[in-house]
Amino acid sequence: SQTIHQWPATLVQPVGSPLSLECTVEGTSNPNLYWYRQAAGRGLQLLFYSVGIGQISSEVPQNLSASRPQDRQFILSSKKLLLSDSGFYLCAWRGGPRELFFGEGSRLTVL
Amino acid sequence: AQTVTQSQPEMSVQEAETVTLSCTYDTSENNYYLFWYKQPPSRQMILVIRQEAYKQQNATENRFSVNFQKAAKSFSLKISDSQLGDTAMYFCASRSYNTDKLIFGTGTRLQVFP
Repeated sequence: SQTIHQWPATLVQPVGSPLSLECTVEGTSNPNLYWYRQAAGRGLQLLFYSVGIGQISSEVPQNLSASRPQDRQFILSSKKLLLSDSGFYLCAWRGGPRELFFGEGSRLTVL
Repeated sequence: AQTVTQSQPEMSVQEAETVTLSCTYDTSENNYYLFWYKQPPSRQMILVIRQEAYKQQNATENRFSVNFQKAAKSFSLKISDSQLGDTAMYFCASRSYNTDKLIFGTGTRLQVFP
């Protein structure tokens, strides 16, 4: 069966520090991968999605970036965090035509 | 562009009662999927129910059912015999056939009281 893992689960970082959130999918190949952000009191905002290795589509201009170095690995990064980057980040994958399957999420607090 | 609107930020219901969560969407596509996702306090998002726009019959999954009104672009979720474990954020979402993007509404927080 397919599983998706995110880490770290919780992260507290100072403003201006770098960020790396990692997401890995197991049990499937060539999945579509997604990064969403859920800010407090708001819905889910699509940040990036990827349909294959090295293929990244950005939905929102910001100081975050994404990379897909391997088929089942999706990384969300920042060189310098802003206070507004705080939120709950969800990775998801889609292996078929329909729904997404989500990871457990990573809570980022920028101080 | 696709948009999804959930106009009820919070709802509450007593255990064993029925509650309906509202969702409207806007799309220029003819073929698309609609979803309801549940995010319990443990935070992992899980799929509750899905509907394919070409199907006229409303989807049903046990105590969960939808009222899909394609012309009105409405997709409400009905939870029957509410249980304490139904307490969660509920997100409505849509995706057209020819895109890889799933668009979410802002969510409805449902509290089930004993």
